[in-house]
Amino acid sequence: AQTVTQSQPEMSVQEAETVTLSCTYDTSESDYYLFWYKQPPSRQMILVIRQEAYKQQNATENRFSVNFQKAAKSFSLKISDSQLGDAAMYFCAYRSLLTQGGSEKLVFGKGTKLTVNP
Amino acid sequence: NAGVTQTPKFQVLKTGQSMTLQCAQDMNHEYMSWYRQDPGMGLRLIHYSVGAGITDQGEVPNGYNVSRSTTEDFPLRLLSAAPSQTSVYFCASRNLLGMNTEAFFGQGTRLTVV
Repeated sequence: AQTVTQSQPEMSVQEAETVTLSCTYDTSESDYYLFWYKQPPSRQMILVIRQEAYKQQNATENRFSVNFQKAAKSFSLKISDSQLGDAAMYFCAYRSLLTQGGSEKLVFGKGTKLTVNP
Repeated sequence: NAGVTQTPKFQVLKTGQSMTLQCAQDMNHEYMSWYRQDPGMGLRLIHYSVGAGITDQGEVPNGYNVSRSTTEDFPLRLLSAAPSQTSVYFCASRNLLGMNTEAFFGQGTRLTVV
């Protein structure tokens, strides 16, 4: 079974600075998806960025980018020019490419609470 | 588009009571799932469904029941509520076929069992 580990329960960053959130995972599969979700105080789960394991290029969405190291099974999220609205819980998640036998599920890490200081 | 709609948003139950958390999606998604979120635990899968009439257990299914009679609806039933079921519950849906199918989440239900 796949597992996702977020080793930083809490992180803080100054407004306009850059912060990196760590995520490692364990799988025996070669093809899969990785995600970062943001959960603000409103509770809504918001997809921040997605990475397909078969793509070597790191995904980027505006101020959000990932450092995907497939061999190391590492998937960190970098937030540049941090804004007060970035304060939230961030969850790393894994999903298999398989579509049977329960493999369709998202496997989540335990989350990292990000505080942005003005 | 309504997306994924969960009701209610908040609920307080007494131990032993039963209730149903509703989840509806209007995107014709085959896959629907229920997660619970507890502090320090992330989101854990309770039950899921890959289509009408098909359901299966996730990681933490005990004490919960589901059914999928239509593509749109996937209710979660608590048969006899226990304080250990105090949690925030999320419903999510997505397409099964095709690449890059994003999961859409409801806004969650905060359940307290006293």
